[in-house]
Amino acid sequence: AQSVSQHNHHVILSEAASLELGCNYSYGGTVNLFWYVQYPGQHLQLLLKYFSGDPLVKGIKGFEAEFIKSKFSFNLRKPSVQWSDTAEYFCAVTLNTGFQKLVFGTGTRLLVSP
Amino acid sequence: EPEVTQTPSHQVTQMGQEVILRCVPISNHLYFYWYRQILGQKVEFLVSFYNNEISEKSEIFDDQFSVERPDGSNFTLKIRSTKLEDSAMYFCASSDGGTFSPLHFGNGTRLTVT
Repeated sequence: AQSVSQHNHHVILSEAASLELGCNYSYGGTVNLFWYVQYPGQHLQLLLKYFSGDPLVKGIKGFEAEFIKSKFSFNLRKPSVQWSDTAEYFCAVTLNTGFQKLVFGTGTRLLVSP
Repeated sequence: EPEVTQTPSHQVTQMGQEVILRCVPISNHLYFYWYRQILGQKVEFLVSFYNNEISEKSEIFDDQFSVERPDGSNFTLKIRSTKLEDSAMYFCASSDGGTFSPLHFGNGTRLTVT
């Protein structure tokens, strides 16, 4: 069965620090990869997604992620975080076969201090 | 931007009671989903629904659960006889396509079974 691992459960950064959140998945076939964000009190929102093509994908709010197939990884990065990036971040994967049965990681809670 | 809306935001019920969680997906969307997140655990897929029938369901989605699209706008999740372990945040999501269309999530309904 597919699984997604997020290595950091809690991350605390100061504003302007760089961010990298790790995500690894276990599945040998073709997958679609996603990062979702949940701001306090709000719904899950799609940050970015990878289906095919350029393994470096850019999302909203200055986030990007790199798909490294050999490492089964899809790490999320942002060069300079802001206080407003405080949120919970979820990595997710689906098989490239149809309906979006997302398999989520446990999430990483990011706190950015001003 | 159109949103997926869920009601109520919080529901408390006694063990053994039936609950219905309601969702209004985005109006032109055709694919509907329920996910849940038990406190401290991963967001888990429950069921997907398309063309008025269940397209896929997880092991969690046993006979106690059912989904319905009773009219053109609502999408409901019914739990017939709630158990303590059904306490979770339940998220509705919708999309306008299959594999490559992002899911739009609602804010969730927190279900507490006492």
